[in-house]
Amino acid sequence: KAGVTQTPRYLIKTRGQQVTLSCSPISGHRSVSWYQQTPGQGLQFLFEYFSETQRNKGNFPGRFSGRQFSNSRSEMNVSTLELGDSALYLCASSFTGGSTNEKLFFGSGTQLSVL
Amino acid sequence: KQEVTQIPAALSVPEGENLVLNCSFTDSAIYNLQWFRQDPGKGLTSLLLIQSSQREQTSGRLNASLDKSSGRSTLYIAASQPGDSATYLCAVRRDWWNNDMRFGAGTRLTVKP
Repeated sequence: KAGVTQTPRYLIKTRGQQVTLSCSPISGHRSVSWYQQTPGQGLQFLFEYFSETQRNKGNFPGRFSGRQFSNSRSEMNVSTLELGDSALYLCASSFTGGSTNEKLFFGSGTQLSVL
Repeated sequence: KQEVTQIPAALSVPEGENLVLNCSFTDSAIYNLQWFRQDPGKGLTSLLLIQSSQREQTSGRLNASLDKSSGRSTLYIAASQPGDSATYLCAVRRDWWNNDMRFGAGTRLTVKP
């Protein structure tokens, strides 16, 4: 069974540009969450999608957005990139996101560097 | 607001030693708690999940315990091996309806051969 797949693995952008990251969850998983990981702030929740609807959103500016498609694949977009957006962006999937014993499965992440 | 703290931040032990990693959280109203492992530059691998109604979970050489009332969880690793070297993170989930998990900063473990 394939795991969570994130593309691309690495990205280099300049300030002011925008970027789109992609995540394919484990087959059958309908919940997709996004996290940002930086050395200073650690892992922070961005948002979660379930059945193409945003179910919850973390405390990030509106420049961070996402969407989910009918096949549960998800994309995350960051507009007007800032130096502080440099981070490892992790996608995680779970079956429904609503069961107490449901584990979260993470992808390998996209390492974004903003110059 | 839920705060998750992990102590120690780094730990170095010789191979074969048993060790304990600690995780504390400020709000005892949690839905579940997960322990993850992260290798450098990689994603997270789920090790153990403890539901709020449970006290402990075991998998192989790993044992995780949960004491909600005191806001603590421990991850016990028996007979450590060099392959166990990684960063270990604990994360608490507060609600059933979303996957907004609060992570600790992690404990970086090095097991020396």
